[in-house]
Amino acid sequence: EPEVTQTPSHQVTQMGQEVILRCVPISNHLYFYWYRQILGQKVEFLVSFYNNEISEKSEIFDDQFSVERPDGSNFTLKIRSTKLEDSAMYFCASSEGQETQYFGPGTRLLVL
Amino acid sequence: QKEVEQNSGPLSVPEGAIASLNCTYSDRGSQSFFWYRQYSGKSPELIMFIYSNGDKEDGRFTAQLNKASQYVSLLIRDSQPSDSATYLCAVIRVGGSYIPTFGRGTSLIVHP
Repeated sequence: EPEVTQTPSHQVTQMGQEVILRCVPISNHLYFYWYRQILGQKVEFLVSFYNNEISEKSEIFDDQFSVERPDGSNFTLKIRSTKLEDSAMYFCASSEGQETQYFGPGTRLLVL
Repeated sequence: QKEVEQNSGPLSVPEGAIASLNCTYSDRGSQSFFWYRQYSGKSPELIMFIYSNGDKEDGRFTAQLNKASQYVSLLIRDSQPSDSATYLCAVIRVGGSYIPTFGRGTSLIVHP
């Protein structure tokens, strides 16, 4: 069964550094998403991506964040100048249509 | 502000019992409703979705939707210890943004 994959599974970085989180969505899916979940809190939407451009973004997704689809399979989230409060699980999701989303296993980011 | 409310629990049920998980939402324009299961440290896994008032059954799971009362519930029959997880309710307002709003989740413990 096709699934969303994410790398790395864990990332530890120093405050102020840049990190790139990678995702490979399900191959026939057209919509891609990034979410984050701070420990013990809700899943929060960051950004959605369709047709090679951002279709929607949340208040969290400020200039510190960017997304890119560098080739036909990967979908990346870049976090510049990381802060302690960026420590969270970051989930990529994809969907064929605009509703039913399938999540990847996540990247646990720890900013020290 | 769109809100999705769930009792954080934990809800503790004996093995073999029916577990009933509830979710209320504030946005009357909500049209699509999803239940995800999330094991500790893992990503949300889609269990069911429901669009129409009434019941929808899939194996041991039944989703119930009442749009007039603005609640959606998930029943798990013959609960197993492997069902122990946090159950996330997610709601989409079709016609506007297709981004789901997640509840905080209800922790379910099924004890042998």
